[in-house]
Amino acid sequence: DSGVTQTPKHLITATGQRVTLRCSPRSGDLSVYWYQQSLDQGLQFLIQYYNGEERAKGNILERFSAQQFPDLHSELNLSSLELGDSALYFCASSAVASANYGYTFGSGTRLTVV
Amino acid sequence: TQLLKQSPQFLSIQEGENLTVYCNSSSVFSSLQWYRQEPGEGPVLLVTVVTGGEVKKLKRLTFQFGDARKDSSLHITAAQPGDTGLYLCAGVNNDMRFGAGTRLTVKP
Repeated sequence: DSGVTQTPKHLITATGQRVTLRCSPRSGDLSVYWYQQSLDQGLQFLIQYYNGEERAKGNILERFSAQQFPDLHSELNLSSLELGDSALYFCASSAVASANYGYTFGSGTRLTVV
Repeated sequence: TQLLKQSPQFLSIQEGENLTVYCNSSSVFSSLQWYRQEPGEGPVLLVTVVTGGEVKKLKRLTFQFGDARKDSSLHITAAQPGDTGLYLCAGVNNDMRFGAGTRLTVKP
């Protein structure tokens, strides 16, 4: 157990729908990062939050949004889902805003869009 | 297009063999990290290298950061079946970007 909790573990939904993925960071960590992992694209950085504020943005689609709440948990919202959104979505956390000290990853949410 | 290119993509070897995998980029990084990922799990941090030319050892694993801080290598001595997994390198500047990984299989 890495200390980073992601729910749900698996999610199957239809095209056009909206889903919310949830992440609780490791105790004491202020930064949360979201990554998408697919077979053809590898691990793609989506977005980072630090202490409730958006810190960095990567390849996140406009149909996707995220937020970090006062208790530091984070949610990733995916809307108007397409078949190509099927992937593993990972959340990671770190104590500081800098990536130089490494991240702790959760076990991921496997999203299947049918 | 991947910012970091890892080679080889796939590697299958027998237990006891040595191997080296590579991570190359045209970009300079403030640090570079290596992770190992097993099926159904998230990546787990193995090491962070910061200084150009730095060498770090973790039991049978040796990590090297290139002098120009653009590339890195991971050498495993006497590989074991437990080393099987996806090895990912990640370059850090303002954020962290991952390579596509090397999928290693060590057969008993």
